[in-house]
Amino acid sequence: KAGVTQTPRYLIKTRGQQVTLSCSPISGHRSVSWYQQTPGQGLQFLFEYFSETQRNKGNFPGRFSGRQFSNSRSEMNVSTLELGDSALYLCASSLGSGVKDTQYFGPGTRLTVL
Amino acid sequence: QKEVEQNSGPLSVPEGAIASLNCTYSDRGSQSFFWYRQYSGKSPELIMFIYSNGDKEDGRFTAQLNKASQYVSLLIRDSQPSDSATYLCAVIAPQGNNRLAFGKGNQVVVIP
Repeated sequence: KAGVTQTPRYLIKTRGQQVTLSCSPISGHRSVSWYQQTPGQGLQFLFEYFSETQRNKGNFPGRFSGRQFSNSRSEMNVSTLELGDSALYLCASSLGSGVKDTQYFGPGTRLTVL
Repeated sequence: QKEVEQNSGPLSVPEGAIASLNCTYSDRGSQSFFWYRQYSGKSPELIMFIYSNGDKEDGRFTAQLNKASQYVSLLIRDSQPSDSATYLCAVIAPQGNNRLAFGKGNQVVVIP
């Protein structure tokens, strides 16, 4: 079974621009979660989508948004990029089955904001 | 109080020794616990999950769960240089609408 895929793998943007990242989950998985990872803050939860609906949201500003399509693929968008948005953005997919759900990560998108 | 805490600093162990990692969590209702391994520059990889009190063994890895004391640990037996990585503890937090909460991780360095 193919794993979680993320595109692009690397991005370089400048302040003020916007960016869209894409995530394709494992076949059959209906939940996609997004995380930001930086050396200082570790893995921080952005949001989770399940069946095209945002089910959970972390403490990030409204510049960070996402969506999920009917085939469970998900995108996240960051508008008005800031230097502090430079990070590894990870998505993880799961069945979305609640308390025993197991998440599997994609390879990540490394975003650099100049 | 943080949802998931991993307080130990970098852990250096000689090759062949046992590496022991600990993690505490705050949500007493948590039922599912995970350990991920992350190599530098790579994404986290699931290595263990545990739901019940006690020990769960998988190859050289053993996860130990104590719900009464709200901690979960990971033992790596016969440590190999390839085990050098950051290990992330994660817990499904019912109070967080069942989202997965991560600790900041513990770096393990296995010295040949």
